[in-house]
Amino acid sequence: SQQGEEDPQALSIQEGENATMNCSYKTSINNLQWYRQNSGRGLVHLILIRSNEREKHSGRLRVTLDTSKKSSSLLITASRAADTASYFCATSNQAGTALIFGKGTTLSVSS
Amino acid sequence: DAGITQSPRHKVTETGTPVTLRCHQTENHRYMYWYRQDPGHGLRLIHYSYGVKDTDKGEVSDGYSVSRSKTEDFLLTLESATSSQTSVYFCAISESTGLGNTEAFFGQGTRLTVV
Repeated sequence: SQQGEEDPQALSIQEGENATMNCSYKTSINNLQWYRQNSGRGLVHLILIRSNEREKHSGRLRVTLDTSKKSSSLLITASRAADTASYFCATSNQAGTALIFGKGTTLSVSS
Repeated sequence: DAGITQSPRHKVTETGTPVTLRCHQTENHRYMYWYRQDPGHGLRLIHYSYGVKDTDKGEVSDGYSVSRSKTEDFLLTLESATSSQTSVYFCAISESTGLGNTEAFFGQGTRLTVV
């Protein structure tokens, strides 16, 4: 079964608005990663947050991690049409030998 | 872009035939993965490798086998293709996973259609 589950499954917003997507996971983690996938392409790494970190920023991205609730959120501020993509969270399996992805959130940003 | 190449990029095959997909990397990363992506299921792990000749099963390994005889190549074989294996297949590589805190790099994907 998948370790991470994103919520919502789909999100539609206007350019300039903020987009927030969430990820819940089941077991303890060393780190949690977020990836983006543009239509028809492979996944691209966005940001990694370690288990001892609570918040991390990268440009217009802000990621939070709450290990007590086993959840993370990805905030994209001032969204652009180019942010239209699917977003996935990923954690490692319990053995620490493989990356497991959630089903993703599909973000649509309209101009 | 990370040096990771999948071949072929597109393939149509008949039910019952064997199919091999290739993933080649030039990054000397230890870990390699095969995922399939289907609507409504996201990415699901098929098999992965944590070193030469070291492989293990993922969530959806039935009907698939893998081999890794050298660091740079990870082969995925569908022993007898079925229509349920029509999917987009992604290869990924990473230096390490949870313990090493590093990102994964993905190939461009292989679109496989089984008719």
